[in-house]
Amino acid sequence: QKEVEQDPGPLSVPEGAIVSLNCTYSNSAFQYFMWYRQYSRKGPELLMYTYSSGNKEDGRFTAQVDKSSKYISLFIRDSQPSDSATYLCAMTPTGNQFYFGTGTSLTVIP
Amino acid sequence: GAVVSQHPSWVICKSGTSVKIECRSLDFQATTMFWYRQFPKQSLMLMATSNEGSKATYEQGVEKDKFLINHASLTLSTLTVTSAHPEDSSFYICSAGPAWNTEAFFGQGTRLTVV
Repeated sequence: QKEVEQDPGPLSVPEGAIVSLNCTYSNSAFQYFMWYRQYSRKGPELLMYTYSSGNKEDGRFTAQVDKSSKYISLFIRDSQPSDSATYLCAMTPTGNQFYFGTGTSLTVIP
Repeated sequence: GAVVSQHPSWVICKSGTSVKIECRSLDFQATTMFWYRQFPKQSLMLMATSNEGSKATYEQGVEKDKFLINHASLTLSTLTVTSAHPEDSSFYICSAGPAWNTEAFFGQGTRLTVV
C-alpha cells in the first residue's frame, strides 16, 4: 500500500464550478499537510499548508484535514481556467521526509 | 514563502557527458535539500536527501555514482548527472525548507534531455 493515495484524474469542470480534490494516507504519524499546484514543466508551487486536523481557507482555496479518517481535501471555489494544473498533496511527520500523492490533473473549461 | 532557485531550467547534452544542476535557497539556510525526478504525468520520485557538510542519502535503486550530490554550503546543493544517457532524460526538481518550518519549497525544475 502506498503511503499516500490520490486519484490521478483527469478531472474536467466548467468555469465557476467547485472542485474537490482528495488524498488518503496510511501513516498516522503525518502531522503536516500541504497542497501544491504544478503547471506543465514547472516546479510545484505551495498553495496550502495545514498542521494537524482542521480547516484552512485562503481566498478561493480551502484545505481540510481529518486525521481520524486519514483524509485530506482541497476545495477550489469559483474555479477559473487559470486553475488548470496538476494538484499534488504532500505530507510529512516531521519535515525531514515528504510523501507525495501522484497528483490530480485538473482542467477548467471556459 | 521561501524561495528556492534552480538552474538551469532546461539543458540538452550529448550522451556520455555530465550535467550539473544547481539548487539554491535564496532567503534562508537549508541544512537539508531534496532531489526529485519526475516523469511525464507522474508524481515526484525522491532520489536523494542532500545534507550540508555530509554525504547524501540515496533512495533505493538510485545510483549514487551516477547522480553525484554535493551540499557544500547552507544555501547550495548540486546534482551532477554523470555519463548521461537518453534514459536519464527527465524533469529534475529540488526542494528545501527553512529549519523552523515544515513546508517544502520547490525550485523551478530542470528539464534534462540527453541526445
